[in-house]
Parts: sequence; structure tokens; C-alpha cells
Amino acid sequence: DAKTTQPNSMESNEEEPVHLPCNHSTISGTDYIHWYRQLPSQGPEYVIHGLTSNVNNRMASLAIAEDRKSSTLILHRATLRDAAVYYCILRDVWGNSGGSNYKLTFGKGTLLTVNP
Amino acid sequence: GAVVSQHPSWVICKSGTSVKIECRSLDFQATTMFWYRQFPKQSLMLMATSNEGSKATYEQGVEKDKFLINHASLTLSTLTVTSAHPEDSSFYICSAPRQGSDTEAFFGQGTRLTVV
Repeated sequence: DAKTTQPNSMESNEEEPVHLPCNHSTISGTDYIHWYRQLPSQGPEYVIHGLTSNVNNRMASLAIAEDRKSSTLILHRATLRDAAVYYCILRDVWGNSGGSNYKLTFGKGTLLTVNP
Repeated sequence: GAVVSQHPSWVICKSGTSVKIECRSLDFQATTMFWYRQFPKQSLMLMATSNEGSKATYEQGVEKDKFLINHASLTLSTLTVTSAHPEDSSFYICSAPRQGSDTEAFFGQGTRLTVV
């Protein structure tokens, strides 16, 4: 599996934007970039994903570099509830058929602290 | 939206006993589910892939006779930790992709196992 590199931790202030970077220099053409986050003592939750174009949803935006070797998860206005570990994961959708291709390999992620 | 439910949320058991953890997909069928383990301050580690109607696939280093997985229906997978020891104390998390989905996997809320 292609690997990702993220900063161990980042800090933000409430109501300010947060840009969480992820490097994935060995990404293949069929790898989607997924972001999940894990709040304390909970299971991970899906945030956003993309392939080549920038993506927006109600939770966040995903900016993907033109060469796809890096991406940035953008939280437009951080709240205290956004404090979590954010994981950037590559997933090859053209892997095994069916649900088995949803085997996610988690790295260490970025611990986001939001200050009031 | 789709929900994956785990039960129990936490359990304390005596060393040498067995503990069963349930993972249910509440509003969709899941032919494949995944079981993860997470130690404090560490990332999620995939333990095994649970396949409905067939044997589970275990990751390297995970003892299949100790961590019994049963996926008897399209909405339920169970993980039984047999002859539990204190070193098995961990946060166990299941996930399930919606069949055919290329977007997201849904995670349970996790089960905190403490073996005393």
C-alpha cells in the first residue's frame, strides 16, 4: 500500500481555518485519497475523499495537488468538536472486488488540538 | 445514514475468560467487515477481515485461535477473545463498507476491553 506522511500534531484556535497536510509521493493513478478522523474514545468517521479534483462537503474541503503527491484537508472554521486525530489514507478502488477492497491501513495521523 | 453498532461499549473480564464483541450493520448489508485493535496512543491495526459465510482472513501475527470471528449473517459479525489476558486489553473497533460503495467505510463506536 502506498504510504502517507502527516505531521504528528497541529494546533488551531476556535473559529479559525485549519489546513492539515498529507504527503503521498508514491501514490498510484488508481489511489483515492481518503480522510478519516477519530474523536477521543470513538471509532473513526469518514470525512472526505477525492481522486484528482478538489472536493467539498459539509464537513471539510480537500485540496489535491496537481501532481497528486500531496493533499490538504481544510476545516474552514475549527470548533472544539473538531479536536481529533485525522488520518490521510490511500485506497485503491481497483483492488479486489467487493467489500474486501475497503481494507484501510491507518498511519499515525495528525492530532489536532483546538484552543478556545 | 448508515450506522455500524458495536456491543458492548466496554467490558471488564477476568484473566482466562472469553469475551464476545458484536458488530452490526443497522441499515445495510455487509458481506465484509473488518476488525481493528488500537492500543493507547497508537493507531488502528487491522486484525482480520470477516467474510459472510466463509472463514475470516487474519493479518500476519494475529492468532486465529485466540481471536475467533464469526460472520453468520449479512448484518452481524462477532469477535470472541478467548482465554483473555491482560495484554489483550485494548480498544477493539469494527468497520463495514456498504456493499458496492466506493466512498466510505462505517465504523462502530469501539469496545474497550480490560482484562484483570
